[in-house]
Amino acid sequence: NAGVTQTPKFRILKIGQSMTLQCTQDMNHNYMYWYRQDPGMGLKLIYYSVGAGITDKGEVPNGYNVSRSTTEDFPLRLELAAPSQTSVYFCASSKTSGSRDEQFFGPGTRLTVL
Amino acid sequence: QKEVEQDPGPLSVPEGAIVSLNCTYSNSAFQYFMWYRQYSRKGPELLMYTYSSGNKEDGRFTAQVDKSSKYISLFIRDSQPSDSATYLCAMTPSGSARQLTFGSGTQLTVLP
Repeated sequence: NAGVTQTPKFRILKIGQSMTLQCTQDMNHNYMYWYRQDPGMGLKLIYYSVGAGITDKGEVPNGYNVSRSTTEDFPLRLELAAPSQTSVYFCASSKTSGSRDEQFFGPGTRLTVL
Repeated sequence: QKEVEQDPGPLSVPEGAIVSLNCTYSNSAFQYFMWYRQYSRKGPELLMYTYSSGNKEDGRFTAQVDKSSKYISLFIRDSQPSDSATYLCAMTPSGSARQLTFGSGTQLTVLP
């Protein structure tokens, strides 16, 4: 049982490049989330999904896109990378949408845009 | 002004000390309060969950909420080097994970 896995662990992008951050969970959770964590700031929700085929914007969705074709996978797409997208990105999943229900986080992807 | 304020530290204490970690918030609608622990280069993990005001204890950890003062605390008794991590507070008005507001985290080091 691997939990939530994320790839890659690290990436350096040039301004204007695109990339996809991969996230997979093996707990059969319906709810999945993408957060970004900037130094000195709390985690901010980018996008979330309540099940395959259903996604919605979080607090900071601009510059990102998501898709959810399966229960297991929730990739995050960055188009036209900008220095403001330099951050650590965490994917998480939970069984239900309640905050009491623990969100299981992946180990994160450290992204630098130069 | 941030909705949730948390002293970033770093905080260093000797092993066995009692640690107090705190957050203040401005949104009186917050009803559900959480503490997450985040080890270096890892994702956060849920440590404590409380609803409304009061105390909740789990082993060496006690979470305290004072809604009248908009202030929450996490106490760690008999701190251990394995407690060295960043502690994030989080809160939501509705109980929905989609509306979580996180503090920026306090970095704690427990020295052996």
